[in-house]
Amino acid sequence: EKVMTQSPATLSVSPGERATLSCRASQSVAGNLAWYQQKPGQAPRLLIYGASTRATGIPARFSGSRSGTEFTLTIGSLQSEDFAVYYCQQYNNWPPTFGGGTKVEIK
Amino acid sequence: QVQLVQSGAEVKKPGSSVKVSCKASGGAFSRSAISWVRQAPGQGLEWMGGIIPIFGTTNYAQKFQGRVSVTADDSTSTAYMELSSLRSEDTAVYYCAQSLGGNPLYYFDSWGQGTLVAVSS
Repeated sequence: EKVMTQSPATLSVSPGERATLSCRASQSVAGNLAWYQQKPGQAPRLLIYGASTRATGIPARFSGSRSGTEFTLTIGSLQSEDFAVYYCQQYNNWPPTFGGGTKVEIK
Repeated sequence: QVQLVQSGAEVKKPGSSVKVSCKASGGAFSRSAISWVRQAPGQGLEWMGGIIPIFGTTNYAQKFQGRVSVTADDSTSTAYMELSSLRSEDTAVYYCAQSLGGNPLYYFDSWGQGTLVAVSS
């Protein structure tokens, strides 16, 4: 089972600043990596798939990148609605697995 | 726009079973894949199993093998997840999630609203 490790667990950012979230895979997952946003009491929402492709309707301030087994989600200029928990998920090998999440909170 | 609507919250006794439903609207049900993902209170996301309705093929996480069953009714565009031998650690919100790529080993385009299952004596 591929282990996905996200860091940091909590990220304190001021509105308007950039946020950089990391996700590391225990082994190669190629580019089969997705990012989700989850707000309290809500289901997760797909942001990014294929490591860097934005899902339909996702603002351009969200971007994803990959370097080997390291993946990054960047939120270019944090808006109030972006404060949430973010999860990465690999879908290269069975079973699909999620990282433990990064909470982005208001500084 | 695909919408997934799940059944309501459940309270169950330890050792019993629960069956949660997920009805899809907006098309592409049979050609997609439906997975079940759970989230214990204050915890992360855990994939349990999935089904490709058009074929009826299922895949399960090893952790839940023998205890979970995922089925689908193509005629009503509804998927089901049944979990047996419930214990307190199964208390969680259970989500259905759809993969338009037609494989549970994929990303999840749409999610249901979640169903809280509480296991308590």
